[in-house]
Amino acid sequence: DTAVSQTPKYLVTQMGNDKSIKCEQNLGHDTMYWYKQDSKKFLKIMFSYNNKELIINETVPNRFSPKSPDKAHLNLHINSLELGDSAVYFCASRGDPGELFFGEGSRLTVL
Amino acid sequence: GENVEQHPSTLSVQEGDSAVIKCTYSDSASNYFPWYKQELGKGPQLIIDIRSNVGEKKDQRIAVTLNKTAKHFSLHITETQPEDSAVYFCAASISGSARQLTFGSGTQLTVLP
Repeated sequence: DTAVSQTPKYLVTQMGNDKSIKCEQNLGHDTMYWYKQDSKKFLKIMFSYNNKELIINETVPNRFSPKSPDKAHLNLHINSLELGDSAVYFCASRGDPGELFFGEGSRLTVL
Repeated sequence: GENVEQHPSTLSVQEGDSAVIKCTYSDSASNYFPWYKQELGKGPQLIIDIRSNVGEKKDQRIAVTLNKTAKHFSLHITETQPEDSAVYFCAASISGSARQLTFGSGTQLTVLP
């Protein structure tokens, strides 16, 4: 049973479109994250939610909007996609005292 | 905020040799230092971690050392095998805090058969 699952695994879309990535964790953790991994493998945090409340919002364009309907889910919606949004997006949840559990990633390609 | 630097960015070793990856951190309040392994097409996965009250920790072929005074920590892999080939990330944070982990830039380790 997958601990952190995100869908879809691959998205290919045109510039200007809107897309969503869904994430669910079954670990009972309170804190969830979205990370962006660029082509150089650098992991950059985008957002963090703790029990449905936004606690970290790094400098991310407001075209990116996270939504947490409950503490087990953290979805990412992206409006007006740009070429530079192409990356792998990872959802993660955090246990105590700090281990992160990552999903398998969603590779977004913007054409 | 915390800044974590990781070296080298790429590392190639012969199977059976040892590999060492080094990281430095800037925030003296950080007390939790995990290492993650990312295989191709997968998400990063924790392989070992160390807290600031410990200087060294071993788990089979992998070990991590921490020097709090110098603010650096290292990952050591002995008797490397081809399946050790992956990207390795170090990270630092304050344990028990809602603050996020700060990751290093990653090391692509290639173990040559």
